Amino acid sequence: EDQVTQSPEALRLQEGESSSLNCSYTVSGLRGLFWYRQDPGKGPEFLFTLYSAGEEKEKERLKATLTKKESFLHITAPKPEDSATYLCAVPISGAGSYQLTFGKGTKLSVIP
Amino acid sequence: DVKVTQSSRYLVKRTGEKVFLECVQDMDHENMFWYRQDPGLGLRLIYFSYDVKMKEKGDIPEGYSVSREKKERFSLILESASTNQTSMYLCASSLSAGPQHFGDGTRLSIL
Repeated sequence: EDQVTQSPEALRLQEGESSSLNCSYTVSGLRGLFWYRQDPGKGPEFLFTLYSAGEEKEKERLKATLTKKESFLHITAPKPEDSATYLCAVPISGAGSYQLTFGKGTKLSVIP
Repeated sequence: DVKVTQSSRYLVKRTGEKVFLECVQDMDHENMFWYRQDPGLGLRLIYFSYDVKMKEKGDIPEGYSVSREKKERFSLILESASTNQTSMYLCASSLSAGPQHFGDGTRLSIL
C-alpha cells in the first residue's frame, strides 16, 4: 500500500534557526513528489515537484531534496511568515492514475 | 497561474438539506478532485473526475455525489446533509499526473 509519512508533526523554530522537514514514502515506481504549503483556513499552495533522486529545487528560504526513500524540505533562516503546515504528496501506484497520497503534514511555527 | 475558484468560503446549512458546492478552474485541466480535510485526518479524497461526465469514487464517497457537465466545472453534492459532514471541503485540478492545484476551500457547517 502506498504510504507517505511526514515528521515531525509539529516544529517550533526561532526566527533564523534553520531546520529540515522529512517526508518518507513507499510507492512502487515514483512518478514525482510534490510539496505544498497550507496556511490556516486556506487551500494547499503548490511549491515544488521533484522527479528523481538527487534532484533539488529552491524557492526563497526553502530547498527541497529527494532520495529514493524520502524527501527533505530544508528551511534556511526562517521568518515568521514561513509559519504554515507543509504537506508532501506522491501519485499513487498504477499506470494512468492521477490520484495523490498526502502525508498529514508538518505544522511549522517560527517565533520572532 | 492556475486559478481554482470555489463558490463559497463559508456555508451554513441544516441537516437534511441538499447542498451544492461548486468549483471552477481556468487552466483547461482534465482532472478535478474533491477532498475534505479534518483535524488529525488529513486530506481525504471524496470523488474525482478525469473527463467531462466521468467520475470515480475516492476513499469516502458515501453521502456525496458529483457532477461534471463542463470541463472547467466540478460540483460536489451532499444529498442529505448530516452533522458529520461538517468539514473543510477542497477542490483541486491537475493536468495528467502533475501536481494538483487547490482552491481556497469551503468551510461547511451543518447544524
